[in-house]
Amino acid sequence: KQEVTQIPAALSVPEGENLVLNCSFTDSAIYNLQWFRQDPGKGLTSLLLIQSSQREQTSGRLNASLDKSSGRSTLYIAASQPGDSATYLCAVVDAGQNFVFGPGTRLSVLP
Amino acid sequence: GAVVSQHPSRVICKSGTSVKIECRSLDFQATTMFWYRQFPKKSLMLMATSNEGSKATYEQGVEKDKFLINHASLTLSTLTVTSAHPEDSSFYICSASRGGGYIQYFGAGTRLSVL
Repeated sequence: KQEVTQIPAALSVPEGENLVLNCSFTDSAIYNLQWFRQDPGKGLTSLLLIQSSQREQTSGRLNASLDKSSGRSTLYIAASQPGDSATYLCAVVDAGQNFVFGPGTRLSVLP
Repeated sequence: GAVVSQHPSRVICKSGTSVKIECRSLDFQATTMFWYRQFPKKSLMLMATSNEGSKATYEQGVEKDKFLINHASLTLSTLTVTSAHPEDSSFYICSASRGGGYIQYFGAGTRLSVL
């Protein structure tokens, strides 16, 4: 059974810092991996999607990497801003087309 | 494109009543829709998967008689929480997929509070 973990559970940084969020999964037989942002009491906003054959994806200040063999993905946020404060979820899509979510990292960027 | 609308965004109801949540794909046909439940500070847990015109497939531990799912058209799925109790209070999120489930588009969620 696929299990997804995220470290750290919470992170607080001053504005302007670069930061890395980590996601680990136990079964490397994934179809893709996605990073989402969730604001309090809101739904999910898709940030980046990495296909299993890809190593990384970039969108603006965000860069996500994928090392399928080791079961790891990282989300790099450059020059963090207070507006980046949210919970970041990673999800792996397994061979059965099931989304398995990690517990999330709650990010606070302090002005 | 690929917008999913979920309604209502928040509902408060008395214990014992039933609540219906709607999930609509606004600009695409969703062959498959998914319903998730999220507890405070926890991640999303899949409740059930529904394909248009067929019965939903429920995850282990989810009561199908408590959480009724209908996927009557390619753009609409509904989740009805029957005889709601305080322990059903949670955040419910739907998602929709054009085909299979490799990419899902998520609704904004519904906060259910049962008094």
